[in-house]
Amino acid sequence: GENVEQHPSTLSVQEGDSAVIKCTYSDSASNYFPWYKQELGKRPQLIIDIRSNVGEKKDQRIAVTLNKTAKHFSLHITETQPEDSAVYFCAASGSQGAQKLVFGQGTRLTINP
Amino acid sequence: GAVVSQHPSWVICKSGTSVKIECRSLDFQATTMFWYRQFPKQSLMLMATSNEGSKATYEQGVEKDKFLINHASLTLSTLTVTSAHPEDSSFYICSAPRGTSVTDTQYFGPGTRLTVL
Repeated sequence: GENVEQHPSTLSVQEGDSAVIKCTYSDSASNYFPWYKQELGKRPQLIIDIRSNVGEKKDQRIAVTLNKTAKHFSLHITETQPEDSAVYFCAASGSQGAQKLVFGQGTRLTINP
Repeated sequence: GAVVSQHPSWVICKSGTSVKIECRSLDFQATTMFWYRQFPKQSLMLMATSNEGSKATYEQGVEKDKFLINHASLTLSTLTVTSAHPEDSSFYICSAPRGTSVTDTQYFGPGTRLTVL
């Protein structure tokens, strides 16, 4: 089955700097890659997603890139703000035509004022 | 955006009792829902796929007789933790995709924190 690896597990950046989180997946059949933000005790919230027919997608300060050949995708947050502090999860789905999401291990992002 | 609710938001029970958790899609129909569990500071681990009108599909290592899933309508799936034990204490979260395509966005419920004494 699908396996998703996420790095780093923790990331601390200065406010205003950029943050990058990387994920790799194992199943070349996966074709949907969402990113979720989860605050403590809360539900995961979708922040951006990308489909396998697209190489890059941007939404204001957030962007995601996908390299299908290498089977990795990355989240980029620019001009970070304190409210960006949270745990971020990448996920992949589409393996064997299924909707189920396989999550990465998560990255705890801390933005230092 | 789409809304998924869960009830209860938290529950404390004694060891050996059963607990039922409800997951509802409030403004869309979901033929499929997913149940995850999340331990503190860990990722979401898929437990099972809930299928409306048919049996749930469980992930490897998840006991189907312990975690009973019923998807009786297009807006409701329930997870029953039977004979709960302290090691079942966790954060249980459901999700529902808005549509049947692999690329449809999945929306998560707020989660249920289960504590078994």
